[in-house]
Amino acid sequence: ILNVEQSPQSLHVQEGDSTNFTCSFPSSNFYALHWYRWETAKSPEALFVMTLNGDEKKKGRISATLNTKEGYSYLYIKGSQPEDSATYLCAFIKAAGNKLTFGGGTRVLVKP
Amino acid sequence: DGGITQSPKYLFRKEGQNVTLSCEQNLNHDAMYWYRQDPGQGLRLIYYSQIVNDFQKGDIAEGYSVSREKKESFPLTVTSAQKNPTAFYLCASKWQGDGEAFFGQGTRLTVV
Repeated sequence: ILNVEQSPQSLHVQEGDSTNFTCSFPSSNFYALHWYRWETAKSPEALFVMTLNGDEKKKGRISATLNTKEGYSYLYIKGSQPEDSATYLCAFIKAAGNKLTFGGGTRVLVKP
Repeated sequence: DGGITQSPKYLFRKEGQNVTLSCEQNLNHDAMYWYRQDPGQGLRLIYYSQIVNDFQKGDIAEGYSVSREKKESFPLTVTSAQKNPTAFYLCASKWQGDGEAFFGQGTRLTVV
């Protein structure tokens, strides 16, 4: 079983504050790292697909970085808004396969 | 509209009965996945398929079976051998390689 860990498990953020959380994954045989946002009563939706060491992706106020050599990725939310409240999932794909292994998620609650 | 359809949304079964969950996609994706979510936990991989007539066990395959006779369809059977079948089941699909995954709406199975 591939070890994909996310921390913290949950996060309370005041509206307007910035926050970040971590996904750690095996540093060997890396192929890709995905980030998804899962809002209540909806299906998970992709935020980023990251494949290169040092990659940085940005979508609006949300950005992500990737370090494949040490096996971690950070997701950042700048100026959190109530609509950012969701569970954020990372998923790891090992080289030479399509097995998509998810971490446990970080549940973010933005308080007005 | 392209997408993934899971049915039904809610399913109730008596203990000891097998039950089949449906997952259909019209996105022309090669890879399909079944995940299980329990309260307070992330997505755990049950089975995945990279191509028609081929599938691999995920991390928690015991008590489940799948088939992939058509590219569009990846049904999951929860057998009576699954000790704790009550859970939320999510189906996903993606193209081969590093493309993002797309998810169905999920099926909540309750076994009484």
